[in-house]
Amino acid sequence: GENVEQHPSTLSVQEGDSAVIKCTYSDSASNYFPWYKQELGKRPQLIIDIRSNVGEKKDQRIAVTLNKTAKHFSLHITETQPEDSAVYFCAASMGNFNKFYFGSGTKLNVKP
Amino acid sequence: GAVVSQHPSRVICKSGTSVKIECRSLDFQATTMFWYRQFPKQSLMLMATSNEGSKATYEQGVEKDKFLINHASLTLSTLTVTSAHPEDSSFYICSADRGGEKLFFGSGTQLSVL
Repeated sequence: GENVEQHPSTLSVQEGDSAVIKCTYSDSASNYFPWYKQELGKRPQLIIDIRSNVGEKKDQRIAVTLNKTAKHFSLHITETQPEDSAVYFCAASMGNFNKFYFGSGTKLNVKP
Repeated sequence: GAVVSQHPSRVICKSGTSVKIECRSLDFQATTMFWYRQFPKQSLMLMATSNEGSKATYEQGVEKDKFLINHASLTLSTLTVTSAHPEDSSFYICSADRGGEKLFFGSGTQLSVL
């Protein structure tokens, strides 16, 4: 099956700085790449997603880039705020049946 | 957005007992639901794909006789952890497919087996 790797496992930034989280995937058939934010003990919340026919997508302070050739995609958060502190997961899916494979997660800590 | 409800949110049981977890899609029909398991500070591991009206498909390494899945209607899937042991203690979370690409998660169930 698909193998998704995510780095770094922890990331600590100062408020206002940018944060970048990177993921790679193994199966070129994957065509949908969502990012989830999960707070402790709660459900993952979709924050942004990108399809394989798009190279970049932006939503206010959050952006995602995709390099299909290299099979990697990244999450960029600008002007970080303390409320951005959480665990972020990337995922890859091959579509139709929505079978998602998740990365190992990145714990983001934004220091005030 | 689509709402997925999961119950119970937390359960404590004795070793050897069985526990049932329910996952409901409240405002849409889901022919496919997914069950994930998450250990502390770890990622979500797909356990099985639950298909309405047919047998669930289990991921490699997941014991189908231990984790019984039933998807009897378009809005309900259940996961039963049979003869639970302390190593089954984990956060179990379901998700439902509304028909598009996006996945909607339940609120999760923290299972503690004593």
